[in-house]
Amino acid sequence: AQSVTQPDIHITVSEGASLELRCNYSYGATPYLFWYVQSPGQGLQLLLKYFSGDTLVQGIKGFEAEFKRSQSSFNLRKPSVHWSDAAEYFCAAARSSASKIIFGSGTRLSIRP
Amino acid sequence: DAGVIQSPRHEVTEMGQEVTLRCKPISGHNSLFWYRQTMMRGLELLIYFNNNVPIDDSGMPEDRFSAKMPNASFSTLKIQPSEPRDSAVYFCASSGGERETQYFGPGTRLLVL
Repeated sequence: AQSVTQPDIHITVSEGASLELRCNYSYGATPYLFWYVQSPGQGLQLLLKYFSGDTLVQGIKGFEAEFKRSQSSFNLRKPSVHWSDAAEYFCAAARSSASKIIFGSGTRLSIRP
Repeated sequence: DAGVIQSPRHEVTEMGQEVTLRCKPISGHNSLFWYRQTMMRGLELLIYFNNNVPIDDSGMPEDRFSAKMPNASFSTLKIQPSEPRDSAVYFCASSGGERETQYFGPGTRLLVL
């Protein structure tokens, strides 16, 4: 069955520290991959997406993600987090952008001052 | 562009009442998605439409739920009768098609008493 796994429910990092959020997927073929962010009480905003090509994807707000086919992973990274990055982060996958997206369970990011 | 518009933003109703959630997708988008978000189940796709036609409604929980898309600029999600376990945030998203991003609305927070 198709699935997206985010093994970390909650992560706390200090402001200015680096960040890596983990994501693994299980799909029949390489899916389209996404990272979304959700601030409290808000909708979801797309940070970045991978369809094909360069496996290192740059997104908004200084985020990047690397697709690793051998590990079925699509981890999200940021070199230096800001207090405003505190939010819930969702990894997601789909056969195409116009088809159903399967979301991971989310990782809540807290920032330590 | 105004983005995906959802109404109402908040809805409080009593068990047994009919609830109608509304969504206006981004103009020109031909795919529309309804998602539900709960603490227990996370984000799950309920149904999606391509060119106003329902493509996959396997996520609709039961017959009490129905969705329509009478034209390219409007969709409804109806719950009749509503139950307390339907309390959740319901998101609508739209996409311009293949290789296009799904854009999410702000959500409707539903509370069924």
